[in-house]
Amino acid sequence: GAVVSQHPSRVICKSGTSVKIECRSLDFQATTMFWYRQFPKQSLMLMATSNEGSKATYEQGVEKDKFLINHASLTLSTLTVTSAHPEDSSFYICSAPPAAGRYNEQFFGPGTRLTVL
Amino acid sequence: KQEVTQIPAALSVPEGENLVLNCSFTDSAIYNLQWFRQDPGKGLTSLLLIQSSQREQTSGRLNASLDKSSGRSTLYIAASQPGDSATYLCAVAANQAGTALIFGKGTTLSVSS
Repeated sequence: GAVVSQHPSRVICKSGTSVKIECRSLDFQATTMFWYRQFPKQSLMLMATSNEGSKATYEQGVEKDKFLINHASLTLSTLTVTSAHPEDSSFYICSAPPAAGRYNEQFFGPGTRLTVL
Repeated sequence: KQEVTQIPAALSVPEGENLVLNCSFTDSAIYNLQWFRQDPGKGLTSLLLIQSSQREQTSGRLNASLDKSSGRSTLYIAASQPGDSATYLCAVAANQAGTALIFGKGTTLSVSS
């Protein structure tokens, strides 16, 4: 099956710093990638849709200036949490659908645990 | 707006029991439905994918059914084992390819030996 990687798997940072999370599709190209966020004991909520070569689209309530998304190539999308605060502490996970014809099964990265002190 | 609900929120069973996890969704216009497993602090493992035209899918001790018209899916786990302990998430894709998934809150399963 298709493989999606994320880096780093875990990051601890001080309040006010910026953190970059990478999402890579290892064996397929992804023109679209999705970023989700999961708070403790909650389900995954879509934050934004990352589109290769164009601007990301954000879900209602997600600050686009705080969560910067760059999808510079067909295999890499990055999420930068700018000026992180403790309330941004969460589990961030990306996914990518393979090309059409593979039943649109979503493949997820292993996630990144962000802790902001 | 599509909403996905999973019942029960938590379930504890002794080893060997057969069990059913339930998932319901409010908008029947889905492209597919996927069941995932999530271990504590970990990412998602895809278990079963059911296309909107399908009624069920099976993988080993797992069987997932889909009744799109009534907005329901069930995940049946046969002969449960302690290693099945995890949170099970149900997610639906909207009515076209390449869309994001909408997740339920999950059912946390604990199987005791």
